[in-house]
Amino acid sequence: DAGITQSPRHKVTETGTPVTLRCHQTENHRYMYWYRQDPGHGLRLIHYSYGVKDTDKGEVSDGYSVSRSKTEDFLLTLESATSSQTSVYFCAISDSFRAIQPQHFGDGTRLSIL
Amino acid sequence: DAKTTQPTSMDCAEGRAANLPCNHSTISGNEYVYWYRQIHSQGPQYIIHGLKNNETNEMASLIITEDRKSSTLILPHATLRDTAVYYCIVRVPLSNFGNEKLTFGTGTRLTIIP
Repeated sequence: DAGITQSPRHKVTETGTPVTLRCHQTENHRYMYWYRQDPGHGLRLIHYSYGVKDTDKGEVSDGYSVSRSKTEDFLLTLESATSSQTSVYFCAISDSFRAIQPQHFGDGTRLSIL
Repeated sequence: DAKTTQPTSMDCAEGRAANLPCNHSTISGNEYVYWYRQIHSQGPQYIIHGLKNNETNEMASLIITEDRKSSTLILPHATLRDTAVYYCIVRVPLSNFGNEKLTFGTGTRLTIIP
């Protein structure tokens, strides 16, 4: 399995608090992604990164920011968490932006906003 | 990306071949077919992908019809550990930076029966 570690694995916090989720990879892959998974919606892309300090928005980026200061770490921040951001968050990595390279996923972070 | 249609659920007896169909009638010539699965509480796992030729790896076989409008994922000897939700995705290779994402639908819930 690809070396992807997400932390924390579970978190419960209150509305209005900042939250940062971390994705760490040991594969030296260039591309990293953050998805959220909700019942009835499948996985939806939040943000992705195509290199150190290079990031772009996905389809559900409102309320989220990301940072990538080094190849191995991709951080997802909820500046002021809302209950609608309660979800399971997955990080993925890929070796190439080209479609023929599959994305590999971490085991997720289950986030509950009360 | 082209839309895919999969059955909501399927059962298969342990030790038998599991055949999971996917319809992608609007697929375009440069779109690949990918299969992922998600075992409960884990991140999605890449299985296999193909363009127009049949493909086989250590996990599964992928059969794509000649007109490419449908495909079948075959798990040759299903085990209880193959119980999961299986996602069929079609995806176009990108030649530049764009909104790269995997569009996961609701998939097929495969249950392996002892």
